[in-house]
Amino acid sequence: DAGVIQSPRHEVTEMGQEVTLRCKPISGHNSLFWYRQTMMRGLELLIYFNNNVPIDDSGMPEDRFSAKMPNASFSTLKIQPSEPRDSAVYFCASSPNTGELFFGEGSRLTVL
Amino acid sequence: AQSVTQPDIHITVSEGASLELRCNYSYGATPYLFWYVQSPGQGLQLLLKYFSGDTLVQGIKGFEAEFKRSQSSFNLRKPSVHWSDAAEYFCAVGASSSYKLIFGSGTRLLVRP
Repeated sequence: DAGVIQSPRHEVTEMGQEVTLRCKPISGHNSLFWYRQTMMRGLELLIYFNNNVPIDDSGMPEDRFSAKMPNASFSTLKIQPSEPRDSAVYFCASSPNTGELFFGEGSRLTVL
Repeated sequence: AQSVTQPDIHITVSEGASLELRCNYSYGATPYLFWYVQSPGQGLQLLLKYFSGDTLVQGIKGFEAEFKRSQSSFNLRKPSVHWSDAAEYFCAVGASSSYKLIFGSGTRLLVRP
């Protein structure tokens, strides 16, 4: 079975540009999470969806960040406009509501 | 406050030696406990989990962990480390009633040949 699939794996962009990160969760998992990982702050939960509905977006840093889940098999995390401090690895994870998370391989974002 | 502490930022062991990675937690509810491993450039992979029952749990890759409620600890062990075990290890705590996992800051394991 395929795991959580994220794209792109690497993104280099210039400050002010829009960035869209994509995630395909594991089929049958009804929870989806976006995390950000940095050296300074470790793993931070950005947003949590359950059955495609955003339940908790308290971790989204500011209005420049937005996330959508239009259907059970696809989610996006968008940053507009991007800033250098957004440089990080962004992980998508899904869960069948057993408490354990299944992570994708991450999208490494560099904003110049 | 809910928190997970991994007191060791780095640990270096020789190949073949035993390993113990420490994890202490503070959590109001009955905890669900997890250990994840992250290899360079990869996502996090679940090593093992504790929900209830036997306090000694077995995981993948020969790892085990023991839940000690009295010490609020969930330490990860392996009797003989392989070079391929070099990675970063994260302890996490959650609850059946909550979707949120609280992750520790991680312990980076280096393995000497």
